[in-house]
Amino acid sequence: GDSVTQMEGPVTLSEEAFLTINCTYTATGYPSLFWYVQYPGEGLQLLLKATKADDKGSNKGFEATYRKETTSFHLEKGSVQVSDSAVYFCALLKTSYDKVIFGPGTSLSVIP
Amino acid sequence: EPEVTQTPSHQVTQMGQEVILRCVPISNHLYFYWYRQILGQKVEFLVSFYNNEISEKSEIFDDQFSVERPDGSNFTLKIRSTKLEDSAMYFCAKLATDTQYFGPGTRLTVL
Repeated sequence: GDSVTQMEGPVTLSEEAFLTINCTYTATGYPSLFWYVQYPGEGLQLLLKATKADDKGSNKGFEATYRKETTSFHLEKGSVQVSDSAVYFCALLKTSYDKVIFGPGTSLSVIP
Repeated sequence: EPEVTQTPSHQVTQMGQEVILRCVPISNHLYFYWYRQILGQKVEFLVSFYNNEISEKSEIFDDQFSVERPDGSNFTLKIRSTKLEDSAMYFCAKLATDTQYFGPGTRLTVL
């Protein structure tokens, strides 16, 4: 079945470090791909998305590129801040009306 | 980003009691969803709701669960007889521009 795999956490980085969170997916067809973020005590917020191969989603300094050939959607940020501390979920959506399939989440802690 | 609000933010109940979780998707949308997240675990799909009918449900969504859009605005998830293992965060989501937008969640604690 369809699934999303993410790198295991927790990830701890110093402020201004480079961030990569790996995400790969298994799905037939051409799903849309998403990163959602969950800040402590809050709900799921859409961070960025990409709907077709080679699309790059970006928001708040975060980027991810939809790589069909490697079935990946890795999240990157050049310089993390303490305020980026959160849990990051990679997710896919097969068709517009379908359910979202989430990865297990990666917890990020950024220390000053 | 389309706004979704949920009430209550936290619900504590005794095992065997009924709970109703509410979602208010502002503006007109046809597709709604419920998900849950047991503490420290992944977000799981429960049910999707289209045009006032269930369109898909997961194996988690058994006879103890039901969904309604009683007044055309609120969207509710009812658990008839709660179990300890129902303790989780419950998220409502709505579909807009091919993206699901989530509410802040309701934390359900079953004692």
